[in-house]
Amino acid sequence: VQLVESGGGLVKPGGSLRLSCAASGFTFSDYYMTWIRQAPGKGLEWVSYINGRSSYTNYADSVKGRFTISRDNAQSSLYLQMNSLRAEDTAVYFCARGWSRYDSSGPIDYWGQGTLVTVSS
Amino acid sequence: SSELTQDPSVSVALGQTVRITCQGDSLRIYYASWYQQKPGQAPVLVIYGKNNRPSGIPDRFSGSSSGNTTSLTITGAQAEDEADYYCNSRDSTGNHLVFGGGTKLTVL
Repeated sequence: VQLVESGGGLVKPGGSLRLSCAASGFTFSDYYMTWIRQAPGKGLEWVSYINGRSSYTNYADSVKGRFTISRDNAQSSLYLQMNSLRAEDTAVYFCARGWSRYDSSGPIDYWGQGTLVTVSS
Repeated sequence: SSELTQDPSVSVALGQTVRITCQGDSLRIYYASWYQQKPGQAPVLVIYGKNNRPSGIPDRFSGSSSGNTTSLTITGAQAEDEADYYCNSRDSTGNHLVFGGGTKLTVL
């Protein structure tokens, strides 16, 4: 299993950014996928998840209405569209594999190395 | 409640046993997972479910739970176990995921 994030960078407050995550080594469509972030020197914060068919998504209250998670199973790719960015969104954003459609109690088990998003003027 | 509470820091002498705890109302309903994170690295899953270890995780790592508390135990802590440890589960609705604030483990 390999997860590789891209798309991070420096953006001004109020701006937008789209993160991508390329997955390999497993049947991508069988798994929920998640985004988790970590502000500098802080703990982990769950951001969003999406099911394998893109029919169900969920968001942390801190990003709801501003961020949109999506996926392309044909490309084994996960995305996070981030709009109306704020300074407090500055963090390393990790793509992580969630539970399979066969076991809803499964853990988040594999993580990418993360991509840094910095929101600053 | 959507919170998971961990002690900010714990220390253990080399070769001794240490328990890291995580408390939250949702833990009465859902199992937790535990992650180890070293500086500059992505988290690594070490324990999940009732007491399951992914392949490659040493058997000195174990998990347990009782009531609203879940615990990660390291039996015979090694220097390489020095890291931040996070618990993770669902909130009481089951719809949102939550992480504990993390515990920094120091091996003396």
